Amino acid sequence: KQEVTQIPAALSVPEGENLVLNCSFTDSAIYNLQWFRQDPGKGLTSLLLIQSSQREQTSGRLNASLDKSSGRSTLYIAASQPGDSATYLCAVTPGTASKLTFGTGTRLQVTL
Amino acid sequence: NAGVTQTPKFQVLKTGQSMTLQCAQDMNHNSMYWYRQDPGMGLRLIYYSASEGTTDKGEVPNGYNVSRLNKREFSLRLESAAPSQTSVYFCASSRPAGGASDTQYFGPGTRLTVL
Repeated sequence: KQEVTQIPAALSVPEGENLVLNCSFTDSAIYNLQWFRQDPGKGLTSLLLIQSSQREQTSGRLNASLDKSSGRSTLYIAASQPGDSATYLCAVTPGTASKLTFGTGTRLQVTL
Repeated sequence: NAGVTQTPKFQVLKTGQSMTLQCAQDMNHNSMYWYRQDPGMGLRLIYYSASEGTTDKGEVPNGYNVSRLNKREFSLRLESAAPSQTSVYFCASSRPAGGASDTQYFGPGTRLTVL
């Protein structure tokens, strides 16, 4: 059974700092990996999707990498801002099925 | 373009009552999903529908039924609610590429409390 782990569970950084969020998964036979953002009391918003054949994806200040063989992904946020405060979730898609397995998320707080 | 909409936003039930959570998407997506989110457990898939007319169980289907009414709508029914079903329920949709999921788009969620 695929398990997805995100460490740390919570993180507080001062504004302007660069930071890395980690995601690991136990079964490397994945089709893709997605990073989502969730604001309190809201639904999830997709940030980046990395296909299994790709090594990284970038969107603005966000960069996600994927090392499928080691079962790891990182989300890099450059020059963090208070508006980046949210919970960040990673999720993987198995190789043959159309459904996601989620990690429990990292709650990020960016302070002034 | 509303994306994925869910009704109701909040609901309180007594144990044993039944209710249906409604979900609709206007993005012409083929696949739709129901998840529940509980503290410390992340999101878990309840049921999904890969295409109109098909439904399949996810990780935690017990106590739930679903109906893919048409391409736009996917409902989740609790026949006899239990306190363990207190959770936040999210509906999502995607346009699958081949047999696997594309980016999933989520609704705002339904907060359900079962007393």
